[in-house]
Amino acid sequence: DAGVIQSPRHEVTEMGQEVTLRCKPISGHDYLFWYRQTMMRGLELLIYFNNNVPIDDSGMPEDRFSAKMPNASFSTLKIQPSEPRDSAVYFCASRNKGLADTGELFFGEGSRLTVL
Amino acid sequence: AQTVTQSQPEMSVQEAETVTLSCTYDTSESDYYLFWYKQPPSRQMILVIRQEAYKQQNATENRFSVNFQKAAKSFSLKISDSQLGDAAMYFCAYRSRYSGNTPLVFGKGTRLSVIA
Repeated sequence: DAGVIQSPRHEVTEMGQEVTLRCKPISGHDYLFWYRQTMMRGLELLIYFNNNVPIDDSGMPEDRFSAKMPNASFSTLKIQPSEPRDSAVYFCASRNKGLADTGELFFGEGSRLTVL
Repeated sequence: AQTVTQSQPEMSVQEAETVTLSCTYDTSESDYYLFWYKQPPSRQMILVIRQEAYKQQNATENRFSVNFQKAAKSFSLKISDSQLGDAAMYFCAYRSRYSGNTPLVFGKGTRLSVIA
């Protein structure tokens, strides 16, 4: 399996622009997580999905952030409008519940966002 | 809510020596997973070792081992015969087993440097 695939790997944009981050989870995984990593706050959970349904979005910082999972193989995290304080590395991770669940999360390589 | 604390922001070790990274957590639950993840400069989070709380035996993976003290809510990682490739950020993480749906809660991380 190719693992969790995220794009873009790097994104530089200007304040006020829309940013869309993409994620393809591991095939067969039914949980998908979006995390944000900053030096100050470490790894923060933004939102997670089960079978394409958002379960907990309490970590989403504000209304400028939205996430969707239209099908089992694709998810987006959108920031509109973006602000400099959104600069961070955004990770997508997936997991398989059930007998194959070892508790482990499988991470993508992250998308580094810089908002000027 | 569960919390994970890593009290050492940075550590260093001489190549071939042994180093121990500390982690404590707070929970009222009795059944859970604990993990150590490694994040090299490439950014991707890689699972190093996992421990199930109901198992008294400390987990071991080659040069990596843990000291799991359930009563003290402590979960330290020992790296033996340190290698240059061990240099990375190390994150301790907790996950409840009760609901089956819970995401990982991460500590702030410890940056490990390996000195040749």
